[in-house]
Amino acid sequence: EPEVTQTPSHQVTQMGQEVILRCVPISNHLYFYWYRQILGQKVEFLVSFYNNEISEKSEIFDDQFSVERPDGSNFTLKIRSTKLEDSAMYFCASSEESTEVYGYTFGSGTRLTVV
Amino acid sequence: AQKITQTQPGMFVQEKEAVTLDCTYDTSDPSYGLFWYKQPSSGEMIFLIYQGSYDQQNATEGRYSLNFQKARKSANLVISASQLGDSAMYFCAMREGQGSGGYNKLIFGAGTRLAVHP
Repeated sequence: EPEVTQTPSHQVTQMGQEVILRCVPISNHLYFYWYRQILGQKVEFLVSFYNNEISEKSEIFDDQFSVERPDGSNFTLKIRSTKLEDSAMYFCASSEESTEVYGYTFGSGTRLTVV
Repeated sequence: AQKITQTQPGMFVQEKEAVTLDCTYDTSDPSYGLFWYKQPSSGEMIFLIYQGSYDQQNATEGRYSLNFQKARKSANLVISASQLGDSAMYFCAMREGQGSGGYNKLIFGAGTRLAVHP
């Protein structure tokens, strides 16, 4: 079964450092997303991406965040200067045009710890 | 206002029994989709079941069924014949917008932690 792959599974970084979280979505999917889940809390939408541009972003997704799809397969989330409150599980997801049958497919997540 | 409300922070059920996890939603969009995801302790998000706002019948997928009551804006997940492996966090989520709108984000509830006891 096709899956969304995220690397690394765990990342520890110092406050103020830049991090790049990587995702390989399912190959025939058109829509890509990043969500985050602070430990024990709900899953929050960060950004959606379609046709090589951001289609929607939340208020969490400020100037410290950026996304790109550099080579047609990878989808990355960059945090320029990490803060302690950026510590969370970050999920990449992708979907086809229709989400009725398969929903949104999520990766296994990257647990980011900012120290 | 909360878009998705899951009022049960934790539930437990005996193995082989059925359990209902509650979800209510709030939207003024006539077209929307409701999803349930399972998150085991390993952390991944597993898609379980989908219900569209225009679907006439309740969705079913194996041991999962969705009790969709549109007028009450509720979309409860029913798990029949619970198994030990069903112990996990369960999230209800909503997509607002047209049925094939893959670009529309999901809005999640706070989740319900289900424990299945032998």
